[in-house]
Amino acid sequence: GESVGLHLPTLSVQEGDNSIINCAYSNSASDYFIWYKQESGKGPQFIIDIRSNMDKRQGQRVTVLLNKTVKHLSLQIAATQPGDSAVYFCAERNQGGKLIFGQGTELSVKP
Amino acid sequence: EPEVTQTPSHQVTQMGQEVILRCVPISNHLYFYWYRQILGQKVEFLVSFYNNEISEKSEIFDDQFSVERPDGSNFTLKIRSTKLEDSAMYFCASSPGTGSTEAFFGQGTRLTVV
Repeated sequence: GESVGLHLPTLSVQEGDNSIINCAYSNSASDYFIWYKQESGKGPQFIIDIRSNMDKRQGQRVTVLLNKTVKHLSLQIAATQPGDSAVYFCAERNQGGKLIFGQGTELSVKP
Repeated sequence: EPEVTQTPSHQVTQMGQEVILRCVPISNHLYFYWYRQILGQKVEFLVSFYNNEISEKSEIFDDQFSVERPDGSNFTLKIRSTKLEDSAMYFCASSPGTGSTEAFFGQGTRLTVV
């Protein structure tokens, strides 16, 4: 069946370092892959997406990489800041707009 | 900045009671969604709604669940007879259209069934 999962439940980095959060997916039919950030007590917040026919997309301090060969998605955060501390979810979106979320990785940034 | 708003922020109800969770999506959005998140787990899709009808629903969204857009601004999720396992955070989301991947989520309603 459909599933999106994450390799690591927690990630701890030093402030200023780069963070890499990984995700594996199984449904090749999704048209978009998306990263969401969820801070404590809040709803998921869109960070960046990538269309299934692309392999890299850059935003402000964030880069998403998509490797369709091995069905792997990653989020790179440059110069990680304390405000980046949150749970990060990858998600895939079908054509109807439905999001299928992975389990989440908790990112902790040490000052 | 426009946002999705949900009320109440926390709802405690007795098992077997009906609850209605309310959402006001962003005003010019056309697609509406409900998701839930059991504590410590991933966010799960419940239902999507477009043009005044359900466009897709998950296995979780059984006959105990219903959605409604009673007027031009509100979008509600009703659980007819709550069970203990319905305890979760319920998130409403909206998006301008399927061409945009950015779904905007509300802050959520924490439902506790006792």
